[in-house]
Amino acid sequence: GQQVMQIPQYQHVQEGEDFTTYCNSSTTLSNIQWYKQRPGGHPVFLIQLVKSGEVKKQKRLTFQFGEAKKNSSLHITATQTTDVGTYFCAGRRGGTGFQKLVFGTGTRLLVSP
Amino acid sequence: DAGITQSPRHKVTETGTPVTLRCHQTENHRYMYWYRQDPGHGLRLIHYSYGVKDTDKGEVSDGYSVSRSKTEDFLLTLESATSSQTSVYFCAIRRDRGPTGELFFGEGSRLTVL
Repeated sequence: GQQVMQIPQYQHVQEGEDFTTYCNSSTTLSNIQWYKQRPGGHPVFLIQLVKSGEVKKQKRLTFQFGEAKKNSSLHITATQTTDVGTYFCAGRRGGTGFQKLVFGTGTRLLVSP
Repeated sequence: DAGITQSPRHKVTETGTPVTLRCHQTENHRYMYWYRQDPGHGLRLIHYSYGVKDTDKGEVSDGYSVSRSKTEDFLLTLESATSSQTSVYFCAIRRDRGPTGELFFGEGSRLTVL
């Protein structure tokens, strides 16, 4: 079945440092979504990427979808303590009919002041 | 906030007992989902529903059943709970007219099976 892996599993940075998490799928995706989950909270949607090679920015967050639509990345510039949480990618395969969203394993980010 | 309520929010039970978790939505969307979250595994789909009485299995459906007799309610049942089902369970909905098909999650139900 479709698998989505994320690396690293965990990263601890100092406030102000950059952070990147990578998402890799075993199959080609029609789109990819990113979610953030604060400690003790529930996942919250951040963004969706659809096109091959697409890059989107949200303030200090940059999201990229690979040319082959099998990988994606999230980069945070100059992390802040408010960035703490677990970041999940989630992808849907292409094709007709209902396609389930498969979540990656997540990257937990800890930011020290 | 997509008007999703999960109950109970916390439950401790013993092995072999039945458990039902409830997900209630106020916006009458077609698609509803149950996920479990465990360290190192992310979010894994248990079951989903695409309408009243229309449900299907996800990737980790063994030991779980679901029912959807009303649009607003999606029930997840563990017929005979086991310790491996200790987890945090999230319900989610997908808005029927949303532009991206993103999921909106409930607050989660933490289940401990002793």
